[in-house]
Amino acid sequence: DPKIIQKPKYLVAVTGSEKILICEQYLGHNAMYWYRQSAKKPLEFMFSYSYQKLMDNQTASSRFQPQSSKKNHLDLQITALKPDDSATYFCASSQEGGGQNTLYFGAGTRLSVL
Amino acid sequence: GDQVEQSPSALSLHEGTGSALRCNFTTTMRAVQWFRKNSRGSLINLFYLASGTKENGRLKSAFDSKERYSTLHIRDAQLEDSGTYFCAAALTGYQNFYFGKGTSLTVIP
Repeated sequence: DPKIIQKPKYLVAVTGSEKILICEQYLGHNAMYWYRQSAKKPLEFMFSYSYQKLMDNQTASSRFQPQSSKKNHLDLQITALKPDDSATYFCASSQEGGGQNTLYFGAGTRLSVL
Repeated sequence: GDQVEQSPSALSLHEGTGSALRCNFTTTMRAVQWFRKNSRGSLINLFYLASGTKENGRLKSAFDSKERYSTLHIRDAQLEDSGTYFCAAALTGYQNFYFGKGTSLTVIP
């Protein structure tokens, strides 16, 4: 059974719209992250949260807003969608933050913006 | 620029043979992880290293922070080892892992 659940698996959106990508982890981890993989590029770190607090943000645009309603949830709200936002978005978690623990990844949400 | 350079980008191995994948880093990294992407697109953890070497079955990984590289050795390759392998290295203290572009491994019967 997957321990990091991402919903939906596939998402199609129109330019200018807003979408929320869901992530829940059942590993009991205290740190959660978002990564993005665009076509032919390596996975890129976006955000890290520890105990529901933002720790690091490498995303230039404020259109991307993580939301953590519970310790094991880290959703990603994307507003004013653009075609360049098309990518697979991966949620990840680790026991603690700080770069000293193994990262575990969800299966990703593939977003296509038309 | 790219913090992690992974090579080769593609590799073909005959069953039963072995080879090594390598990641070079442009700066000192504090930890490295190796993953394999499965057929569903999920990233499966292989190793996490803060230093030294680890071995698991037919896979062995090494990480030298000072020399700025990590390797993943595969021996006695099997068909099910085919897939894309990624290394990722942590620079800062908040799990900002930088990923390599991946190595596409094909194991040939």
